[in-house]
Amino acid sequence: AQTVTQSQPEMSVQEAETVTLSCTYDTSESDYYLFWYKQPPSRQMILVIRQEAYKQQNATENRFSVNFQKAAKSFSLKISDSQLGDAAMYFCAFFERGHNYQLIWGAGTKLIIKP
Amino acid sequence: DAGVIQSPRHEVTEMGQEVTLRCKPISGHNSLFWYRQTMMRGLELLIYFNNNVPIDDSGMPEDRFSAKMPNASFSTLKIQPSEPRDSAVYFCASSLALGKVQYFGPGTRLTVT
Repeated sequence: AQTVTQSQPEMSVQEAETVTLSCTYDTSESDYYLFWYKQPPSRQMILVIRQEAYKQQNATENRFSVNFQKAAKSFSLKISDSQLGDAAMYFCAFFERGHNYQLIWGAGTKLIIKP
Repeated sequence: DAGVIQSPRHEVTEMGQEVTLRCKPISGHNSLFWYRQTMMRGLELLIYFNNNVPIDDSGMPEDRFSAKMPNASFSTLKIQPSEPRDSAVYFCASSLALGKVQYFGPGTRLTVT
């Protein structure tokens, strides 16, 4: 069964520091997409970063980068130079291509930024 | 681009009343998804459409829930009759096609008293 596990219900980091949010997933497929979404208190779900499983290079978007370990089925998110605006719930998700395209979601990690 | 538009943003209604949530996907997007988010169950996919056709509605909790997509630019999620346990945030998301990135609307917070 496809599952996504975010083992850290809550994380905190000092402003300007770096934090890593963990995510592991389970799938028997080889072709899939992985995502991190951010949900601030406004509750809007915002795409942070995405990774195609067939790409070996880790995706980066400005201060956000991932560490994609396909063999270990791990997809962690690193936030560099944390800012107050990064405070939010972060959700890891994936879907398998050709398998109804339903996003499988993790339970989320609440990120707190300390000023 | 205006993004995915949902209305209303907040809805408070009494048990037994009909509730209709509305969604306008991003122009040019062919796939549309309805989600429900609660503290207890997290994000749940209710139903999704591709080219206005419902593809999978296995997530719809009960017959009280129904969804339509009469054209490419509009979808509704209806609950009739509503119950307090339907209280949640309902999200609509759209994507260029199945298998592409989903972009979410701001959500509708539904409270059923």
